Amino acid sequence: EVHLVESGGGLIQPGGSLRLSCAASGFTFSNYAMTWVRQAPGPGKGLEWVSGISGSGGGTFYADSVKGRFTTSRDTSNNTLFLQMKSLRADDTAVYYCVRGGWSSPLDYWGQGTLVTVSS
Amino acid sequence: EIVLTQSPATLSLSPGEGAALSCRASQSVGSSLAWYQQKPGQAPRLLIHDASSRATGIPARFSGSGSGTDFTLTISSLEPEDFAAYFCQQRRNWPLTFGGGTKVEIK
Repeated sequence: EVHLVESGGGLIQPGGSLRLSCAASGFTFSNYAMTWVRQAPGPGKGLEWVSGISGSGGGTFYADSVKGRFTTSRDTSNNTLFLQMKSLRADDTAVYYCVRGGWSSPLDYWGQGTLVTVSS
Repeated sequence: EIVLTQSPATLSLSPGEGAALSCRASQSVGSSLAWYQQKPGQAPRLLIHDASSRATGIPARFSGSGSGTDFTLTISSLEPEDFAAYFCQQRRNWPLTFGGGTKVEIK
């Protein structure tokens, strides 16, 4: 069974840095692109694609809103996906989901999400 | 960037009724469109991928149709557990984008 478990969220001051991790199990990690999607807190908030990475890790893609501040990477030996976030802003406050899939396959399995709150 | 517009924003229906949710793309996405269901406090769940293919374990009352720029998610007869938010998403072009969502609420 596919499992994705995010960790690393929390309260961080504006301008700070945080690294999210996503532990993957139940599938051959290197065979799949992976994606980060976020959702601002509150009713009626939508989903925003943040970043994607190829199965090999050789290709990474970012939303304009995070380009230059966020870096996605993966450790295939430990089946772990990372999102390094720096220069965090209040509008980065969201639940961050780790998701299997991307441009080559649908977003078929989602983690439970980890909340990042950027506030002084 | 491909913009996905979902309508209506809210659909008020009773259990047993049918629902039709629309997703319109600002340019063609071919059949690279998916639908997700999200309940409060939960992660989204994939319902439909590639416009019309049901994901594993999804009941047959959910169906997807369309191609190019116009897509529909149909729920043939609403069960109590179907009252939730629904999002469409395209993976034809970067960046991947989501629609703003349709909330299906109990009338």
